[in-house]
Amino acid sequence: AQSVSQHNHHVILSEAASLELGCNYSYGGTVNLFWYVQYPGQHLQLLLKYFSGDPLVKGIKGFEAEFIKSKFSFNLRKPSVQWSDTAEYFCAVKGNNAGNMLTFGGGTRLMVKP
Amino acid sequence: DTAVSQTPKYLVTQMGNDKSIKCEQNLGHDTMYWYKQDSKKFLKIMFSYNNKELIINETVPNRFSPKSPDKAHLNLHINSLELGDSAVYFCASSQRTGGPGAQYFGPGTRLLVL
Repeated sequence: AQSVSQHNHHVILSEAASLELGCNYSYGGTVNLFWYVQYPGQHLQLLLKYFSGDPLVKGIKGFEAEFIKSKFSFNLRKPSVQWSDTAEYFCAVKGNNAGNMLTFGGGTRLMVKP
Repeated sequence: DTAVSQTPKYLVTQMGNDKSIKCEQNLGHDTMYWYKQDSKKFLKIMFSYNNKELIINETVPNRFSPKSPDKAHLNLHINSLELGDSAVYFCASSQRTGGPGAQYFGPGTRLLVL
């Protein structure tokens, strides 16, 4: 079975600070990896995804994530956060043998202070 | 144009009632999903469905049933609503059955059972 762990439940940063949110997964085979963002009161939006190739993936709004296979990790980063980045961030994993089922991490609530 | 839409946006109802939530996608995707997000923001897959296969998360009570009149729609029927069913329900879709495609989410339906 696949599982996803996001160790940071709440993160508070000041504007312009750098961000790194941790995501570790457990799955024995090839995986597809995703980060979604949920702004307050809104639906989930896809930030970025990794299927294959370059392990450093660039997404929207200046976010990037790096897939490190040896560490089963897919951490999300942004060099300089803005107040508008305040949201809940979800890492998700889909194993290639897992049908269509996405497994989500518990989410990380990011608050950016102006 | 809205890619994945859900109605209603809010639903308040009494315990024991039967209700439905509708979902439509205009992305031409062949697989649709229902997720439940609880008060702690934890997201759990409920169903994955295409025209050939319904995959049910075994933890979902059989009071919940998906119904798909066609490829672009996947409605969620809930019988005998219980207090614990209060949550936000998200519909999603993806392009290819078994493929790595990202899932795109609807705006959510906030269900409150009194």
